Amino acid sequence: GAVVSQHPSWVICKSGTSVKIECRSLDFQATTMFWYRQFPKQSLMLMATSNEGSKATYEQGVEKDKFLINHASLTLSTLTVTSAHPEDSSFYICSASWDRGEDGHLSSYNEQFFGPGTRLTVL
Amino acid sequence: GENVEQHPSTLSVQEGDSAVIKCTYSDSASNYFPWYKQELGKGPQLIIDIRSNVGEKKDQRIAVTLNKTAKHFSLHITETQPEDSAVYFCAATDSWGKLQFGAGTQVVVTP
Repeated sequence: GAVVSQHPSWVICKSGTSVKIECRSLDFQATTMFWYRQFPKQSLMLMATSNEGSKATYEQGVEKDKFLINHASLTLSTLTVTSAHPEDSSFYICSASWDRGEDGHLSSYNEQFFGPGTRLTVL
Repeated sequence: GENVEQHPSTLSVQEGDSAVIKCTYSDSASNYFPWYKQELGKGPQLIIDIRSNVGEKKDQRIAVTLNKTAKHFSLHITETQPEDSAVYFCAATDSWGKLQFGAGTQVVVTP
């Protein structure tokens, strides 16, 4: 159980175009999804936290107008990289978790299940 | 905020030997500590985790220890095999439940 998929697995696009990446939880309902980016030989950097039915919370330094996140259902979140440029080329990874605590925040005991990642190359 | 440090950055071991990776964290509110294995071009895969009310956890050849007082936790892999070669990341949750990752350790197991 706890399988997360991403689509596409890789994408090449021209500079200035927009790219949408989908993240799906296949066998559980994800109340919270996270989007990370990872540059070569580096660690995962959290971009944003997405709760179903509400606006995403972006980490400091991440442009919310450039990286549009939609979490329309309990099994699907999308990340759209708008007006992509070569410096946006990276490995984008989503993760999914469930169950919020009573105060509305994600319980820090909850596991995150990661997708296989999407390799974005902007020419 | 949470800061997770991970050492070493690279680790070469002979097949059959043990590998140990150590991490420290700064946020005393952290209470969940997962370890991930990432192979080239793939997403991270959870291999073991430990919660703050436990000091040690073992799953076959993999074990994790946690010292909350010293704010450090370690991954131990025994009887290493070539398929253990990968990048390993430790992580710790902050008070908002978000994961903060260490910088990663490239493990190379030579036959």
